[in-house]
Amino acid sequence: DAGVTQSPTHLIKTRGQQVTLRCSPISGHKSVSWYQQVLGQGPQFIFQYYEKEERGRGNFPDRFSARQFPNYSSELNVNALLLGDSALYLCASSFKQGAKADTQYFGPGTRLTVL
Amino acid sequence: AQRVTQPEKLLSVFKGAPVELKCNYSYSGSPELFWYVQYSRQRLQLLLRHISRESIKGFTADLNKGETSFHLKKPFAQEEDSAMYYCALAGYSTLTFGKGTMLLVSP
Repeated sequence: DAGVTQSPTHLIKTRGQQVTLRCSPISGHKSVSWYQQVLGQGPQFIFQYYEKEERGRGNFPDRFSARQFPNYSSELNVNALLLGDSALYLCASSFKQGAKADTQYFGPGTRLTVL
Repeated sequence: AQRVTQPEKLLSVFKGAPVELKCNYSYSGSPELFWYVQYSRQRLQLLLRHISRESIKGFTADLNKGETSFHLKKPFAQEEDSAMYYCALAGYSTLTFGKGTMLLVSP
């Protein structure tokens, strides 16, 4: 198993554009979470999806949205990009819902640069 | 609100020296805490979680509810321990991370 995979690896966008990031969880995992990691900070929670439904949302504006597909893969969308959206976006998967219930396994991340 | 504090950005020690990475938390319920590690050019990975009470790669961490701390310790540091270490607190859906401590072990 390759573990959690994310695409693309790197992405450069300009302000005002929209971006879609993709995540494939470990086979058998039904929960996907998204985190934003700004340089010099720890990862910050954006969303959790379990069984294709949103189960948790962090303190991010409505420009951020996500969805989970029947095969449990997930997309994170960010509209109207701002310079401050430049960060490493991490996806994590787990078998069960909830960070307390189960270990989360992280992908390598997508590095987004907004110019 | 959940909060995790790692007071040290950088901890530099010599090989064979003891290591203690500090972590303090704020949480109103029963906390579940983790240490994650990120080695150079590798993904974030779980090092240990307090409920399993394991020792991984010689590291241990004890939850002290009175002091609201979950410090990571290792009696004898190795060069391969050099990495970024994050303390994390689990809520129902989320992990709340600290800002991380870079551990540098010199020969």
